[in-house]
Amino acid sequence: DIQMTQSPSSLSASVGDRVTITCQASYDIRDYLHWYQQKPGKAPKLLIYDAYNLETGVPSRFSGSGSGTHFTFTISSLQPEDVATYYCQQFDNVPIFGGGTKVEIK
Amino acid sequence: EVRLVESGGGLVQPGGSLRLSCAASGFSFDDYGMHWVRQGPGKGLEWVAGISSNSGSIGYSDSVQGRFSIARDNGKFSLSLQMSSLRAEDTALYYCAKARGDLLNFYAMDVWGQGTAVTVSS
Repeated sequence: DIQMTQSPSSLSASVGDRVTITCQASYDIRDYLHWYQQKPGKAPKLLIYDAYNLETGVPSRFSGSGSGTHFTFTISSLQPEDVATYYCQQFDNVPIFGGGTKVEIK
Repeated sequence: EVRLVESGGGLVQPGGSLRLSCAASGFSFDDYGMHWVRQGPGKGLEWVAGISSNSGSIGYSDSVQGRFSIARDNGKFSLSLQMSSLRAEDTALYYCAKARGDLLNFYAMDVWGQGTAVTVSS
């Protein structure tokens, strides 16, 4: 079975900082990699689909890149409203979510 | 407005059964795959089951295979999850989610409900 390794598990950054989260797949999943944001007490929200496509209505400070086995999610300028847990999800065969990255403001 | 509303959660004893429902509105339900995703207390997201738009493809996680059954009624814009032989580890908030496309595989989940809570305890 495929393994998804998401890192870091948590991070603390200042407002305006660039934040990067990575997701590594154990085999080539092409670009079937999606990123979600989950704020406390809320349902997950799709931010990026197919590795780099920004979902409609999502601010442009969010971006994704990568293909194959290594993927990156970036917040170009962290805002207070970005405090959340972020999950990657691969969907090559069955959906598997990464372990999540909790993002906090320093 | 595209909307998913889950119902049917509650407290059930180990070994018991429960049926979750998801009512969809605001989109062409029969054009999209659907999924159930759960989140245990303080835990991450775990995919449970999925179904293609025409019910031709169905999949389950290893943890629920043989115990849970997903189904959809396109005429009623509804999705269900029949859960049996429930265990304490099935305790979670269960989300219904819409796929961006019709297939079971590949597509991201672009619309989520607010979830329905299932507690398995004696």
